[in-house]
Amino acid sequence: QIQLVQSGPEVKQPGASVKVSCKVFGYTIISYAVTWVRQAPGQGLEWMGWMNSNDGNIRYAQKFQGRVTVTTDTFTNTAYMELRSLTSDDTAVYYCARDVIGSEDYWGQGTLVTVSS
Amino acid sequence: DIVLTQSPLSLPVTLGQPASISCRSSQSLVHSDGNIYLSWFQQRPGQSPRRLIYKVSNRDSGVPDRFSGSGSGTDFTLKISRVEAEDVGVYYCMQGTDGRTFGQGTKVEI
Repeated sequence: QIQLVQSGPEVKQPGASVKVSCKVFGYTIISYAVTWVRQAPGQGLEWMGWMNSNDGNIRYAQKFQGRVTVTTDTFTNTAYMELRSLTSDDTAVYYCARDVIGSEDYWGQGTLVTVSS
Repeated sequence: DIVLTQSPLSLPVTLGQPASISCRSSQSLVHSDGNIYLSWFQQRPGQSPRRLIYKVSNRDSGVPDRFSGSGSGTDFTLKISRVEAEDVGVYYCMQGTDGRTFGQGTKVEI
């Protein structure tokens, strides 16, 4: 059974960094890229970037260039998304999803990141 | 960047009646491989998005056949043939031809 299980909620201060994990089950992480999407409270879905650990291809949305890093650990079948220099605008639910050539079929349960002083 | 514009943004529906959501792209979504990577997602309150349709018109496993997708080039449509109570939620189109872009979302409510 394919599942993506994300780490728990985080509370961070402005200026800090957050690292969200996404452990995949039911397939090997090198078989498909992992996409990261976020959703601010009451807002729509926003693509952040993806990583294909099979060929090393990484792409970030321009908005997050220089502030986000996505990585994978093929030994533990886990993907990570690190976002730096957090502001209150980064308060959102962050999702990982399996990328299957042009679309995302399985999604994690989401990780709430709250940025507050 | 590709921009997706959905309409309407709010869609009051009647149980048992059809419903339709439009998604218009700022540029053609035909990929160099000939495919059109346009998907539709449903997000129920408090849940993760769930994919309903991929590559314009292919329904995912387990998705009721009252959901259908159509379109080409820059104009796409998601149709619900007969709305049921469980269809309440927000629907997003997404393009995967060049990076990823989501539409603003359409809130479907009874």
